[in-house]
Amino acid sequence: AQRVTQPEKLLSVFKGAPVELKCNYSYSGSPELFWYVQYSRQRLQLLLRHISRESIKGFTADLNKGETSFHLKKPFAQEEDSAMYYCALTQTSGSRLTFGEGTQLTVNP
Amino acid sequence: NAGVTQTPKFRILKIGQSMTLQCAQDMNHNYMYWYRQDPGMGLKLIYYSVGAGITDKGEVPNGYNVSRSTTEDFPLRLELAAPSQTSVYFCASSYSQGKFGGNTIYFGDGRWLTVV
Repeated sequence: AQRVTQPEKLLSVFKGAPVELKCNYSYSGSPELFWYVQYSRQRLQLLLRHISRESIKGFTADLNKGETSFHLKKPFAQEEDSAMYYCALTQTSGSRLTFGEGTQLTVNP
Repeated sequence: NAGVTQTPKFRILKIGQSMTLQCAQDMNHNYMYWYRQDPGMGLKLIYYSVGAGITDKGEVPNGYNVSRSTTEDFPLRLELAAPSQTSVYFCASSYSQGKFGGNTIYFGDGRWLTVV
């Protein structure tokens, strides 16, 4: 069974500080990993996925198959980054996403 | 495009009542999903559909039913509402981009359902 774990429900940092949101997964096959974000009063939306190897809004995430992790990082957090972040997993050719429980990030001024 | 649209906005149900949460998408996506999100918890998949006429159970299907008569619509029905079904419900859709493209899922804005 596939499982996604986000160990931190709440994370608070100051503006300009680095931030890392942790995500670990368990899956026996070849996974595809995503980060979704939900800003206040907005719908859940895709932030980035590992297969694209992209940086979105300054965030990056590297898939580490050895550690089965997909941590989301940003070197300098901004107040507008405050949101709920979900890590998610699917099999490469599949459609069902399994979500973690989410991490509420608060960036303080 | 309106994207994924969910109606009604919010509902309060009495125990034992039934209701249908509507979901429509105008992106011609073949995959559609219903998730629920309990306070402080992650998203749990209730049901999903890979195309018109095809539905399948997710992680937490008990107490719900779905149908997919058209590509655009994927209603979720609660037959006998229970307090345990108090949650935020998200409908979503995607178009599978195949092995290398993965799936970008588009969400509706969620609906609160309270069962009292």
